Amino acid sequence: DVKVTQSSRYLVKRTGEKVFLECVQDMDHENMFWYRQDPGLGLRLIYFSYDVKMKEKGDIPEGYSVSREKKERFSLILESASTNQTSMYLCASRVENNEQFFGPGTRLTVL
Amino acid sequence: AQSVTQLDSQVPVFEEAPVELRCNYSSSVSVYLFWYVQYPNQGLQLLLKYLSGSTLVESINGFEAEFNKSQTSFHLRKPSVHISDTAEYFCAVTSKTSYDTVIFGPGTSLSVIP
Repeated sequence: DVKVTQSSRYLVKRTGEKVFLECVQDMDHENMFWYRQDPGLGLRLIYFSYDVKMKEKGDIPEGYSVSREKKERFSLILESASTNQTSMYLCASRVENNEQFFGPGTRLTVL
Repeated sequence: AQSVTQLDSQVPVFEEAPVELRCNYSSSVSVYLFWYVQYPNQGLQLLLKYLSGSTLVESINGFEAEFNKSQTSFHLRKPSVHISDTAEYFCAVTSKTSYDTVIFGPGTSLSVIP
């Protein structure tokens, strides 16, 4: 069974804090993704990575950065959290263009 | 560029009734198509996928979807729904080109009424 885990299910932070969201997959997948999910907007791609040390901007990268130092780990960083970054964050991994495997999500609230 | 439309944001249906969740996509290239389901407070999980071959694909829990290239649709159907099918359903598309990202529709919330 493919497993994608995320470091926290729920997180509350204050405006201006630096926030780290971590994602780990155990199936040796090369591709990893970070999405945010908001009601009525579906999933929007923030960043993705096709291999270690590689990263590509998605549709809404502003205010975020990522790190992929190891194949199994893909971190999303909010350099200075703002209230409009309150959202559900989903990590996913996959092999080539096949199905994606998702983590359980992190619900982030920025006060 | 690709896009996905799910015309119905919310679909209420009585238990044991049939249901169809609509999905249309636009793309200038050949595509792979997916339906994902999200139960409350969980991540998304794959329900079924079309990669090639038969245009009718089925899931293990009774859902099916048919790829219609001429109508650029991939509608999801179930002949008799259960309470446990209450969830958010997302249609998604990606091109057959290597290393392309996935485009998700906005989702359809299915509510099964006892």
